[in-house]
Amino acid sequence: AQTVTQSQPEMSVQEAETVTLSCTYDTSESDYYLFWYKQPPSRQMILVIRQEAYKQQNATENRFSVNFQKAAKSFSLKISDSQLGDAAMYFCAYRPDPGAGSYQLTFGKGTKLSVIP
Amino acid sequence: KAGVTQTPRYLIKTRGQQVTLSCSPISGHRSVSWYQQTPGQGLQFLFEYFSETQRNKGNFPGRFSGRQFSNSRSEMNVSTLELGDSALYLCASSPRGLSEDGYTFGSGTRLTVV
Repeated sequence: AQTVTQSQPEMSVQEAETVTLSCTYDTSESDYYLFWYKQPPSRQMILVIRQEAYKQQNATENRFSVNFQKAAKSFSLKISDSQLGDAAMYFCAYRPDPGAGSYQLTFGKGTKLSVIP
Repeated sequence: KAGVTQTPRYLIKTRGQQVTLSCSPISGHRSVSWYQQTPGQGLQFLFEYFSETQRNKGNFPGRFSGRQFSNSRSEMNVSTLELGDSALYLCASSPRGLSEDGYTFGSGTRLTVV
């Protein structure tokens, strides 16, 4: 079974600084997708960024970028120019290619990010 | 464009009762997934429906069931509630349930069992 590990339960960053959240995963699949989701106190899970495993290039979305190391099964999220609105729980998630017959996301336990003004 | 709507937002039930939660996906989305979120276990997959058919089921007891209607709205039911069923239940919709489509989550239903 696939597992996703986020080793940092809590992190903090100064406003305008950069922070990196770590995620590792375990899978025997070759094709899969990785996601970072943000969950603010409003509870709604918001997609931050997505990475297809077959793509070598790291995904970026404005201030958010990932460092995807397929061989190491590592998928870290970098937030640049941190803003107060970035404070939230961040979840790393894995999903195999649907050809494997699975449509579920497997989530890590999350990292609570605090942004210090 | 309306998002994923889950009702009710909060629910308090007594142990042994049953409960039904509702999820209305984004218009045009045919895949609906359900997740249970608790402080101890984190986010766990319950089941996924596409065009009224359950394609995947997570490792939950038979007390947890779901269904999807022809308009893609979905309901999940929990019978014989236990204290451990207290959780945030999240629903996510997707056009086809494929990873490249992405998933949009609702704000969840907070269920408290007393």
